[in-house]
Amino acid sequence: AQKITQTQPGMFVQEKEAVTLDCTYDTSDQSYGLFWYKQPSSGEMIFLIYQGSYDEQNATEGRYSLNFQKARKSANLVISASQLGDSAMYFCAMREGPSGGGADGLTFGKGTHLIIQP
Amino acid sequence: GAGVSQSPRYKVAKRGQDVALRCDPISGHVSLFWYQQALGQGPEFLTYFQNEAQLDKSGLPSDRFFAERPEGSVSTLKIQRTQQEDSAVYLCASSYQVGEFTEAFFGQGTRLTVV
Repeated sequence: AQKITQTQPGMFVQEKEAVTLDCTYDTSDQSYGLFWYKQPSSGEMIFLIYQGSYDEQNATEGRYSLNFQKARKSANLVISASQLGDSAMYFCAMREGPSGGGADGLTFGKGTHLIIQP
Repeated sequence: GAGVSQSPRYKVAKRGQDVALRCDPISGHVSLFWYQQALGQGPEFLTYFQNEAQLDKSGLPSDRFFAERPEGSVSTLKIQRTQQEDSAVYLCASSYQVGEFTEAFFGQGTRLTVV
């Protein structure tokens, strides 16, 4: 079963609009972390935001916020006031805690290709 | 260095050839990860080092893949007898502390094409 599911392969959004990128995850672990990364066409993975499973408040970093709904196992990324430079691939990822039994690295979704239109 | 550096950026190998991919992590970073990213997919975990110790190699797809980090800084991912399915971008990431939820900084990757 997929541990990270991103259901939007591609999205077109008008500049200055807000955009929500969907991410659902699957884990039986109580302790885990959720990450969002941006990958422009140049290839590097740029860290955007992190949410811990025990964090009660949604994480925010500038124009990025993470809409964390634990009961639904959902960790959507919200980008406010989108800009042309936001056009890129966006990946949701999870790392489970020591009892999760998973690998030590991050488990990534398949990504969403976001295109911001002027 | 200022960031994670990977070399070469691009590598074309003939099928059956051995290749070595280098990762220079951020100075002082304890943890180092290798990922494989096939075209149109998200990265997939290959292996993890804490200093020079390889603590997890569960993601290595076959015994043709081998990674090392002998002095706890630079790491090399070696692929023996390359095959076409090895064509991918290989990403290296490092983080400054041990912990499940530490932000990892990625390099720009090495794009390997096996012909």
